[in-house]
Amino acid sequence: QVQLQQWGAGLLKPSETLSLTCAVYGGSFSGYYWSWIRQPPGKGLEWIGEIKHNAITNYNPSLKSRVTISIDTSGNQFSLRLSSVTAADTAVYYCARDIDGSIDSWGQGTLVTVSS
Amino acid sequence: QAVLTQPSSLSASPGASASLTCTLRSDITVGTYSIYWYRQKPGSPPQYLLRYKSDSDKQQGSGVPSRFSGSKDASANAGILVISGLQSEDEADYYCMIWHTSVAVFGGGTQLTVL
Repeated sequence: QVQLQQWGAGLLKPSETLSLTCAVYGGSFSGYYWSWIRQPPGKGLEWIGEIKHNAITNYNPSLKSRVTISIDTSGNQFSLRLSSVTAADTAVYYCARDIDGSIDSWGQGTLVTVSS
Repeated sequence: QAVLTQPSSLSASPGASASLTCTLRSDITVGTYSIYWYRQKPGSPPQYLLRYKSDSDKQQGSGVPSRFSGSKDASANAGILVISGLQSEDEADYYCMIWHTSVAVFGGGTQLTVL
């Protein structure tokens, strides 16, 4: 049973860069897409982007100019960087596994608050 | 107009069935897409329930009971999640999702109350 464990800074100031990492345990790392999804407090889900084990990425056009997703296959980890954050980026951020379009496994979520 | 529209709330009685709809924007046709459904309880990440494209092309999430099923209403251009034999534990937010132009798009979610 795959498990995703994520971590990163939970409090940022406007204009700083959000950085989160997700480690994958208990399953194969190759052959899947690895995703980041966020959820503002009390609101719905927004897909940020994803990366495959061969480092091919796919980003949401609404965030593409500020997002970088990277992968460390040797460590079974992948990371999210979101630059120039504002209060609108305050959200719970989830890492997740995408199998043929089904986002079937999720990390526990990290609340990131942007406040001056 | 949003790509996917869901009713914000729905109430149903224990033991009854509930149909949650996910309406696609008028310029995209439900028959073309697989509709993915997720359930989210407060304080927890979403849980994958199922994928439905057609009766011959569908997938149940691991460990998801068969009382959760998918369908489509082509006349309404909508995907439907049917939950039969409602239980109190089914009270949650439900999200639909499609892959549209290589981007995962979620509906706004339906809050299901079982009372």
